[in-house]
Amino acid sequence: EVQLVESGGGLVQPGGSLRLSCAASGFTFSSYAMSWVRQAPGKGLEWVSSISGGGGGTYYADSVKGRFTFSRDNSKNTLYVQMNSLRVEDTAVYYCAKVRSMTSVTSGAFDIWGQGTVVTVSS
Amino acid sequence: DIQMTQSPSTLSASVGDRVTITCRASQSISSWLAWYQQKPGKAPELLIYKASLLQSGVPSRFSGSESGTEFTLTISSLQPDDFATYYCQQYNGYLVTFGGGTKVEIK
Repeated sequence: EVQLVESGGGLVQPGGSLRLSCAASGFTFSSYAMSWVRQAPGKGLEWVSSISGGGGGTYYADSVKGRFTFSRDNSKNTLYVQMNSLRVEDTAVYYCAKVRSMTSVTSGAFDIWGQGTVVTVSS
Repeated sequence: DIQMTQSPSTLSASVGDRVTITCRASQSISSWLAWYQQKPGKAPELLIYKASLLQSGVPSRFSGSESGTEFTLTISSLQPDDFATYYCQQYNGYLVTFGGGTKVEIK
């Protein structure tokens, strides 16, 4: 079964840091670009970042550029996002998502999503 | 950055109705557009990719079309399971943008 499982969410103070993980199974992980998408409470979907299958290319939304670092360990079938200098407006459910097409280098339609992990930034 | 303007934001409909949701891109995205369905407390699910291609396992009452920079999701006959929020997403290039969402409510 193709599956993505996020972990690492929690409560953090403004200015703090958190690292999220996303464990993948059921597909050839290194062949697919992956992304993080977040959803603030009661709001719509916001793309956060994407990473190529080999990990050599990473792209970020302006809202997180310079604060978030996206990486992947293909030997462990796991994605990571290191979130620093967190702000109240980073409060959201964070989803990892798999790009549908193997030929998409970085972005694409997302055919598999994790269940999400909740990040709350509050003092 | 490419902006996606989705309309309407809310739609009230009855079971059996034909429902249309529209997304307009601020510039050309070719056919690099997807549609998702999201239910409360759940992750989004892919319905349509490349503007009109039906994702495996998605009922055929869902369809997508395009005309220039305007994209449409149509549900031919609304079913009880279809009351949800729908999002469009463009993926032309490195950056991705979602539309603001359309909540389909029971009339």
